[in-house]
Amino acid sequence: DQQVKQNSPSLSVQEGRISILNCDYTNSMFDYFLWYKKYPAEGPTFLISISSIKDKNEDGRFTVFLNKSAKHLSLHIVPSQPGDSAVYFCAASPLNRDDKIIFGKGTRLHILP
Amino acid sequence: KAGVTQTPRYLIKTRGQQVTLSCSPISGHRSVSWYQQTPGQGLQFLFEYFSETQRNKGNFPGRFSGRQFSNSRSEMNVSTLELGDSALYLCASSPSGFGEQYFGPGTRLTVT
Repeated sequence: DQQVKQNSPSLSVQEGRISILNCDYTNSMFDYFLWYKKYPAEGPTFLISISSIKDKNEDGRFTVFLNKSAKHLSLHIVPSQPGDSAVYFCAASPLNRDDKIIFGKGTRLHILP
Repeated sequence: KAGVTQTPRYLIKTRGQQVTLSCSPISGHRSVSWYQQTPGQGLQFLFEYFSETQRNKGNFPGRFSGRQFSNSRSEMNVSTLELGDSALYLCASSPSGFGEQYFGPGTRLTVT
């Protein structure tokens, strides 16, 4: 049972445009969400997070939006740059801090020149 | 601070053999989690150790086991290797297990 879903395995976006990566979750006990970026042959690196008490968090070119009623979050990258080409993982953390973090399957983002 | 290190980086084993992977977390981090990454399956949680105790476990068979030492270093063992165990194994550390995790570069295991 996939509790965190990234329904788009891949996404291609023109350089300079906005990239929007989506993530859906099913468990209402999740209250903290994170995005990680992964290049080939490297481990994932933390990008940005959001707590369930907020609906938006911004860090430079990266903004995460959270819609609790729809159990949906999205990562916006503006403007998209060639170095943004990577796999992006959405992750959700439950209220019970002793419980595990669940990752989605990832979305591969291609930034086109 | 030094990052999370994993050894070895690459490993080739034969079906039926066993393997031990090692992870050294960031200094001061007490939580170490292990993940398996395969194409199309994303990051699948194996287990988490906190202060030498297994705190969480994913849905993997008993052939997958781990442990954590008093210095927070962790090892993961896979016995009776199967072809399907070929994957990138990632280790991540954090101070408490909640929130942002810091990943190592992974160990690429190939089972032939």
